Amino acid sequence: EVQLVESGGGLVQPGGSLRLSCAASGFTFSSYALSWVRQAPGKGLEWVSAISDSGGSTYYADSVKGRFTISSDNSENTLYLQMNSLRAEDTALYYCAKVGKVVVHFDYWGQGTMVTVSS
Amino acid sequence: QTVVTQEPSFSVSPGGTVTLTCGLSSGSVSTSYYPSWYQQTPGQAPRTLMYSTSSRSSGVPDRFSGSILGNKAALTITGAQADDESDYYCVLYMGSGIWVFGGGTKLTVL
Repeated sequence: EVQLVESGGGLVQPGGSLRLSCAASGFTFSSYALSWVRQAPGKGLEWVSAISDSGGSTYYADSVKGRFTISSDNSENTLYLQMNSLRAEDTALYYCAKVGKVVVHFDYWGQGTMVTVSS
Repeated sequence: QTVVTQEPSFSVSPGGTVTLTCGLSSGSVSTSYYPSWYQQTPGQAPRTLMYSTSSRSSGVPDRFSGSILGNKAALTITGAQADDESDYYCVLYMGSGIWVFGGGTKLTVL
């Protein structure tokens, strides 16, 4: 059974940093691309970032480019999102999602971890 | 900047049929965008419904179907049930590792 468990969220001041983790199980971690998707309170889903199965390629939404860094550790089966220079508009529930192998879609989702940026 | 458009809200009667659409602010949606659809109820993570335009995810009832209608991707619910009342999101794959979500459609069944 595929499981994605996010952690690391919390309250941080504007300009601060936070690192999110997503522990994965139930599939061959190194064979799949993974992604982060966020949802601000009362708002819709927003794609944030993705990393290729090899970890060699990373992709970002314009809204986070230059501030967020996605990475993965195949030995720990864990996906990360390092978030720097956080802004109030980064306040959201952050979901980890597995990307389908043959067709590019999000086939499994975690339950999310909440990030609140506020002074 | 690419904007993916969805109806903000829609209403359907129990047993009725509704078609939600997913368009582009500029241009047409085709199968090359691998449109996929997700259902979300309050307080829950998204659930994958449809991928690659018209392929149903595992466990999704066949009253859900996907297609391209004109210049948009479409999700049709035939025989709507009360528990179909949810938010529905489409996402388009723009290539080069980039996805763009639509703003979502709030579906009411009444």
